Amino acid sequence: KAGVTQTPRYLIKTRGQQVTLSCSPISGHRSVSWYQQTPGQGLQFLFEYFSETQRNKGNFPGRFSGRQFSNSRSEMNVSTLELGDSALYLCASSLRPSGGSVNIQYFGAGTRLSVL
Amino acid sequence: QKEVEQDPGPLSVPEGAIVSLNCTYSNSAFQYFMWYRQYSRKGPELLMYTYSSGNKEDGRFTAQVDKSSKYISLFIRDSQPSDSATYLCAMSTLSGNTGKLIFGQGTTLQVKP
Repeated sequence: KAGVTQTPRYLIKTRGQQVTLSCSPISGHRSVSWYQQTPGQGLQFLFEYFSETQRNKGNFPGRFSGRQFSNSRSEMNVSTLELGDSALYLCASSLRPSGGSVNIQYFGAGTRLSVL
Repeated sequence: QKEVEQDPGPLSVPEGAIVSLNCTYSNSAFQYFMWYRQYSRKGPELLMYTYSSGNKEDGRFTAQVDKSSKYISLFIRDSQPSDSATYLCAMSTLSGNTGKLIFGQGTTLQVKP
């Protein structure tokens, strides 16, 4: 079974540009969560999409947005890039079971974004 | 103050040592507790998870949760050089089967041959 696939693996952008990152979840998983990982702040939750709807949102500015398609693939967009947006962006997929069962998240290898 | 605190280390131990990794948290609503391992240039991979308080063992790894103290631990027995990685604790609440995990800063572990 293929894992979570993130593309591209590496990106270099300049300040003010925008960027779109892609995530293909594990087959059958309908929930996709996005995280930002930096040396100073660690892993921080950006947002979660389930059935094409945003279900949870972290404390990030509106420049960070996302969407999910009917095949559960997700994209994340960052507009007007700032130097501080340089980070590893991780996507995680899960089944999001009902009834209080644990929601195990499986991570992709991430997209490393450098903003110059 | 962060919701989850974890000493970033680095922690260096000789091969064969018992390793203890810990996290403290402040949100009493956390019910699921997970440990992820992250190798350099890779995404985190789930090692273990526990629900509420108690212990869970899987091979050389043991996870403990003490909800009364808001303290969780991961023990690695007979540590190997291949265990050298960053270990992240993560937590989530029960309500809404949230896809939001709150992570600790991560502890970098080096096991020397």
